Amino acid sequence: DSGVTQTPKHLITATGQRVTLRCSPRSGDLSVYWYQQSLDQGLQFLIQYYNGEERAKGNILERFSAQQFPDLHSELNLSSLELGDSALYFCASSVEVAINTQYFGPGTRLTVL
Amino acid sequence: EDQVTQSPEALRLQEGESSSLNCSYTVSGLRGLFWYRQDPGKGPEFLFTLYSAGEEKEKERLKATLTKKESFLHITAPKPEDSATYLCAVQATGGYQKVTFGIGTKLQVIP
Repeated sequence: DSGVTQTPKHLITATGQRVTLRCSPRSGDLSVYWYQQSLDQGLQFLIQYYNGEERAKGNILERFSAQQFPDLHSELNLSSLELGDSALYFCASSVEVAINTQYFGPGTRLTVL
Repeated sequence: EDQVTQSPEALRLQEGESSSLNCSYTVSGLRGLFWYRQDPGKGPEFLFTLYSAGEEKEKERLKATLTKKESFLHITAPKPEDSATYLCAVQATGGYQKVTFGIGTKLQVIP
């Protein structure tokens, strides 16, 4: 158990809908990262937050947004969903000192029908 | 741009048959190299961080080594429970602490 929690575990929705994925980092970690992993593909970095502020953006679509709250939990919002958004979404957290060792949550499996 | 290439893409071993997975990387300067294990449908599990060429780390049947251009994950006498996808990632020096992941090597150990 990495100490990172994600909810829900599974999400099934329809095209055009909007969903929110939630992540709680390990105790003491200030940084949260979101990744997308499609079938047989690598981890694609989406976005990072550090202590409530956006730190870096990766390959995140404009339909996607995220935020980190004062209690350090984070939410990833996905809107106008398309079939191609079906994937595993992982959250990771780190203390983010010089070496950025990230610890991953169990993921949310999103299925768009 | 930072790049990580892992080979082979897939590896099938008999139980007890030792082998190595390769991770080649290109970064302007290496701050750290990470190995993770990922089971199907699960989040990656952290294994090792390596910081400089010549460094080695071990955990049970796994040993990770690092040179200036690549890292190896050696698996000694693997067991079926070692079956998983092994991911390599690198963090470059300077600026934002971006971590770049490879697509992984899928290992299957057959009893």
